[in-house]
Amino acid sequence: AQRVTQPEKLLSVFKGAPVELKCNYSYSGSPELFWYVQYSRQRLQLLLRHISRESIKGFTADLNKGETSFHLKKPFAQEEDSAMYYCALGGGGGFKTIFGAGTRLFVKA
Amino acid sequence: NAGVTQTPKFRVLKTGQSMTLLCAQDMNHEYMYWYRQDPGMGLRLIHYSVGEGTTAKGEVPDGYNVSRLKKQNFLLGLESAAPSQTSVYFCASSYSGTGRNTIYFGEGSWLTVV
Repeated sequence: AQRVTQPEKLLSVFKGAPVELKCNYSYSGSPELFWYVQYSRQRLQLLLRHISRESIKGFTADLNKGETSFHLKKPFAQEEDSAMYYCALGGGGGFKTIFGAGTRLFVKA
Repeated sequence: NAGVTQTPKFRVLKTGQSMTLLCAQDMNHEYMYWYRQDPGMGLRLIHYSVGEGTTAKGEVPDGYNVSRLKKQNFLLGLESAAPSQTSVYFCASSYSGTGRNTIYFGEGSWLTVV
C-alpha cells in the first residue's frame, strides 16, 4: 500500500543549526515526491519537488530510492523556517497524491 | 492572483445542522479536491473531482457530499454535522490528477461542531 511516513511530529532546533525533516515512503511504482510547507496564517504551498532538483529557501531534498526516503535538509535554520512541513507522494496514472502526517518545525532564537 | 478561494473561513455548527463549504479556482484546473487536516493525521482526502460534473470518493468520504456543477467551483456539503467533523478543511486544485502535478490550496476553513 502507498504510504508516507514522517516520524517526527515536532522538531525544535536553534537558529543556525542544521535541520533535517525525515520522510519515508512506500510505493511500488515510480514515485514523485514533494515537500509542502504551511507557514503560520498562510495556505499550504509547494516548497520543492524531487524532479526539480533545486534548492528553495536553502532547503534541499534528495530522493533515495534504495532507502525509500526523501528527507528535507537545510544547513542553517532560520527563525522564518518555523512552519508545518508535509511530505507528499505522487505517481503516475490515476494515483492521487497522498500526504504524510506533517512535522512542525520550530526554530528557536 | 486569487488562485483557490474558499468560504467561509470559520464556522461553528450544532450537531445535526447542515452547511456547505464553497470553493472556487481561477486557474482553469481540471482536478479539484477537498481535504481535512487533523492533528497527527495529516491531510486526508475527502472527495475529489476530475472535471465538471464528476465527483469521486477519497479516503474519508463518509458524512460528506460534493458537487462540481461548474469547472471552477467545488462544493463540500455536510448534511448532518457531527463533532467528529470538527476539523480544518482545505480545498485544492491541480492541472491534472496524475500525482505528478503541483497541488494548489485554499486558505482553509475552520469548522467546529458542538
